[in-house]
Amino acid sequence: DAGVIQSPRHEVTEMGQEVTLRCKPISGHNSLFWYRQTMMRGLELLIYFNNNVPIDDSGMPEDRFSAKMPNASFSTLKIQPSEPRDSAVYFCASSHRALGPYEQYFGPGTRLTVT
Amino acid sequence: EDQVTQSPEALRLQEGESSSLNCSYTVSGLRGLFWYRQDPGKGPEFLFTLYSAGEEKEKERLKATLTKKESFLHITAPKPEDSATYLCAVQAGPNSGYALNFGKGTSLLVTP
Repeated sequence: DAGVIQSPRHEVTEMGQEVTLRCKPISGHNSLFWYRQTMMRGLELLIYFNNNVPIDDSGMPEDRFSAKMPNASFSTLKIQPSEPRDSAVYFCASSHRALGPYEQYFGPGTRLTVT
Repeated sequence: EDQVTQSPEALRLQEGESSSLNCSYTVSGLRGLFWYRQDPGKGPEFLFTLYSAGEEKEKERLKATLTKKESFLHITAPKPEDSATYLCAVQAGPNSGYALNFGKGTSLLVTP
């Protein structure tokens, strides 16, 4: 299994630009999570989907952030417009809810730098 | 509100020097407690899930234990390749969905 795939691995952009992060979950997993990791705040959940439906987006910091999951094998996290304080590592994770342990498997992350 | 506190923030051990990492938690209705390992520049890697007080799980030099208020990750005779950040997370239920609430982690350095 290829694991969770994220792209790009690194993104450098200027303030005000739109940023789109992409995620392909593990095949067969039906829950998908977006996290953000910073030194100050650690790992924070932004939003999660179950069976492609957003369940909880209370962690999304502002309306500038949006996430979609058009099908079971693809999700995007978009920031528009981006700001320097959005600089962080963004992780996508997936889990197979039906199998019970609910452990989440993480992708390699996208390191975002907004200048 | 669910809280997860890990200690110490950083730990330096000599190779072969056993120690324990602590994860204290407050949560309403624990569904599971998870341990992850994170290497620099990589995503967290799943290690263990513990479900109820008294449960223990082992993997190579690592053993995780769980009580009603905390979990320990015991590292026996560590090697330099065990150097990483170890993250603890709790999953609450039944109304909290499937989100994991992570601690800030313990950064472990094992020197030869």
